[in-house]
Amino acid sequence: NAGVTQTPKFQVLKTGQSMTLQCAQDMNHNSMYWYRQDPGMGLRLIYYSASEGTTDKGEVPNGYNVSRLNKREFSLRLESAAPSQTSVYFCASPSGGARIDTQYFGPGTRLTVL
Amino acid sequence: AQKVTQAQTEISVVEKEDVTLDCVYETRDTTYYLFWYKQPPSGELVFLIRRNSFDEQNEISGRYSWNFQKSTSSFNFTITASQVVDSAVYFCALIPYYQGGSEKLVFGKGTKLTVNP
Repeated sequence: NAGVTQTPKFQVLKTGQSMTLQCAQDMNHNSMYWYRQDPGMGLRLIYYSASEGTTDKGEVPNGYNVSRLNKREFSLRLESAAPSQTSVYFCASPSGGARIDTQYFGPGTRLTVL
Repeated sequence: AQKVTQAQTEISVVEKEDVTLDCVYETRDTTYYLFWYKQPPSGELVFLIRRNSFDEQNEISGRYSWNFQKSTSSFNFTITASQVVDSAVYFCALIPYYQGGSEKLVFGKGTKLTVNP
């Protein structure tokens, strides 16, 4: 979806390795979100940022850290990857000026931890 | 607590059949927003529709239609004359109005629709 980009698209890690997933949006919105998608589980919120300089935990934050670098960029870091973190990761940002805006998603990062 | 239930895990139909995907939600908020997203086999998430709790009018967009009923807490999605390109996983999601300043989506687990030629 136009407006939200993620890198990388695919990644394979060994247990214990670290990595950072990058997300950028050009919709000029304050909020950004990280979700993970596991088979049969839908999408679950990991962390979110309501504005530049603020971050908060979502439903499944354990094992992750985030950084809201500026209004455009929101990164997700795995400090010591575990096989349970094998998943597809989506970044999202709303678009619009209403109180509740529609969230648009990046293309996703497919992460495998061996 | 907020919750979205999509009881149908998988549905398989033959092309041109009509199909309805069910979505039941739970929230204590009187103001909330409901969404449907489509995830085709390529993996991206595509926004389909958004509805707020004050607008119970049903919506039709081409072969797609949505039936929102507050009395049964349901927001069902119907595809008329299904096509192979409709094959995807469909997610229903909810945002309660007040969440302390951020609009966190609560997703159902999705319904995988397969349309066979």
